[in-house]
Amino acid sequence: GDSVTQMEGPVTLSEEAFLTINCTYTATGYPSLFWYVQYPGEGLQLLLKATKADDKGSNKGFEATYRKETTSFHLEKGSVQVSDSAVYFCALSDVLKGAQKLVFGQGTRLTINP
Amino acid sequence: DVKVTQSSRYLVKRTGEKVFLECVQDMDHENMFWYRQDPGLGLRLIYFSYDVKMKEKGDIPEGYSVSREKKERFSLILESASTNQTSMYLCASSTNTGELFFGEGSRLTVL
Repeated sequence: GDSVTQMEGPVTLSEEAFLTINCTYTATGYPSLFWYVQYPGEGLQLLLKATKADDKGSNKGFEATYRKETTSFHLEKGSVQVSDSAVYFCALSDVLKGAQKLVFGQGTRLTINP
Repeated sequence: DVKVTQSSRYLVKRTGEKVFLECVQDMDHENMFWYRQDPGLGLRLIYFSYDVKMKEKGDIPEGYSVSREKKERFSLILESASTNQTSMYLCASSTNTGELFFGEGSRLTVL
């Protein structure tokens, strides 16, 4: 079945550092790809998405490019802030019984130190 | 804004008790989902529903059931809670664009 693999965490960086969180996927067909973020004590919220190959999703300074040739969707940010500390989940969409459900990676906990 | 509301943020139950987790969404979404979240395992789909009174098993349905009597409400039921069901439970809803909208989660502890 479809699956998503994220880089293992936790990841700890200093403020203004460059961030990369790796995500690769296995899927039949052409899924949409997503990054969700979970801040402490909250539910998940959509950070960005891409629906087809070579699309770039971006939001809040984060970017990810849908790379079909490498089956990857790595999350990047040029200069992280303390407020970016959260758990990040990569996900792909899978259609089941006409409904799009998401398959998630295991999550990567990011801590940014001042 | 879409709002998905889960009835309880924290619950403590005893082994063998019947547990109800309620979820309500206010955006007329067709699809609703229950996931559980465990450290190192990410989110795993328990059940989902694509219409009223319709339900489909996800990846880990054992020990759970669901009910969707109205479009806006999707309930997760643990018929006889066990300690291995201690977890964070997340409800979500969506249209068919793929984007899920999540509630804040219900942290269940089974003693």
